[in-house]
Amino acid sequence: EAQVTQNPRYLITVTGKKLTVTCSQNMNHEYMSWYRQDPGLGLRQIYYSMNVEVTDKGDVPEGYKVSRKEKRNFPLILESPSPNQTSLYFCASSPRLIRETQYFGPGTRLLVL
Amino acid sequence: DQQVKQNSPSLSVQEGRISILNCDYTNSMFDYFLWYKKYPAEGPTFLISISSIKDKNEDGRFTVFLNKSAKHLSLHIVPSQPGDSAVYFCAASEGNNDMRFGAGTRLTVKP
Repeated sequence: EAQVTQNPRYLITVTGKKLTVTCSQNMNHEYMSWYRQDPGLGLRQIYYSMNVEVTDKGDVPEGYKVSRKEKRNFPLILESPSPNQTSLYFCASSPRLIRETQYFGPGTRLLVL
Repeated sequence: DQQVKQNSPSLSVQEGRISILNCDYTNSMFDYFLWYKKYPAEGPTFLISISSIKDKNEDGRFTVFLNKSAKHLSLHIVPSQPGDSAVYFCAASEGNNDMRFGAGTRLTVKP
């Protein structure tokens, strides 16, 4: 089944404790991205990757890191989480371009205390 | 600066009637528009899209209308069904890497 998976689905952590949210897709897509969803603000892009070893900042990259060492995986790293990073995070992939249909993962709900 | 705005946080309609979801944008360089649908505890799923060279695109019960002069697009669902109850996000793209989403409209279709 074609899908985007994210882990964990739910995470509670404390300020400053490094964490990684994994994202994997099995559709051989070139384009992957991370979004955060906050009430009243919709989905905002954090980082995106057009292919292996190619990443770039989206609208709200501060406090986040990403890597794209393999085509299928695109982990999101919070080196020192803060409470304002409490949010619902989605990973997405598309064949090549962002304007093609994006396939979203199920989301990761993060609470930073 | 929200370049894509969905001014109605929620909409309630009766089953069988038309649902109209609206979206306004400020960036005249946007040339591709999409609607995504999101159920609770799931990621958004693609619904329908439209290029700026068109003013209408239809897919079954779903039709998207684009008014470039007004920088406005709308999604029509006819007839509405209870299974259409979800949050609908409007999105707009300029070029190949940038996409902006609206805040979403929660649609409730009552039986």
